[in-house]
Amino acid sequence: EVQVLESGGGSVQAGGSLRLSCAASGFIFNSYAMNWVRQAPGKGLEWVSGISGSGAGTYYTDSVKGRFTISRDNSKNTLDLQINSLRAEDTAMYYCAKGARVGGYFDYWGQGTLVTVSS
Amino acid sequence: DIQMTQSPSTLSASVGDRVTITCRASQSVSSWLAWYQQKPGKAPKLLIYEASTLESGVPSRFRGSGSGTVFTLTISSLQPDDFATYSCQQYNTYPWTFGQGTKVEIK
Repeated sequence: EVQVLESGGGSVQAGGSLRLSCAASGFIFNSYAMNWVRQAPGKGLEWVSGISGSGAGTYYTDSVKGRFTISRDNSKNTLDLQINSLRAEDTAMYYCAKGARVGGYFDYWGQGTLVTVSS
Repeated sequence: DIQMTQSPSTLSASVGDRVTITCRASQSVSSWLAWYQQKPGKAPKLLIYEASTLESGVPSRFRGSGSGTVFTLTISSLQPDDFATYSCQQYNTYPWTFGQGTKVEIK
């Protein structure tokens, strides 16, 4: 059974940092891209960042470039998101989402970890 | 970035109704479009990918169609479990982008 489980969320002041983690199981981790998708309270979904199965390719939405860093450890089946220079607009539920075998859609999602940024 | 616009934003319907949600892309995404269902407090669930391919385990009352810039999600006979928010997502061009969501509520 595929499972992804996020951790690391919390409340932080603007300008601060957090490191989100995602533990994956039930599939060959290094064969799949992994992603972070966020959802601000009462808002729609926003893809934040993705990383290829090998880790060689990383991708970001413009609003987080230079502040967020995605990484993965294929020996531990974990995905991380280092979030720096947090802003109020980064407040959201952050979901870890497994990429599909072919294509950039997401076939399994975690339950999310909440990041709250106070100014 | 490719903008995805869904209509309507909210839809009121009754059990048994046929429901159609439209997703429009600001430029062609070919057939690289997915649909998700999300219930309050829960993670999204994949329903359809490549515009019209039903994810394993998803009931056949869900149907996706379209290509290029206009796509539709149709629920042929709305069931109580289908009251949720539905979102489209393009994966033709980075950054991947979602529609704003369509909430299907009980009439």
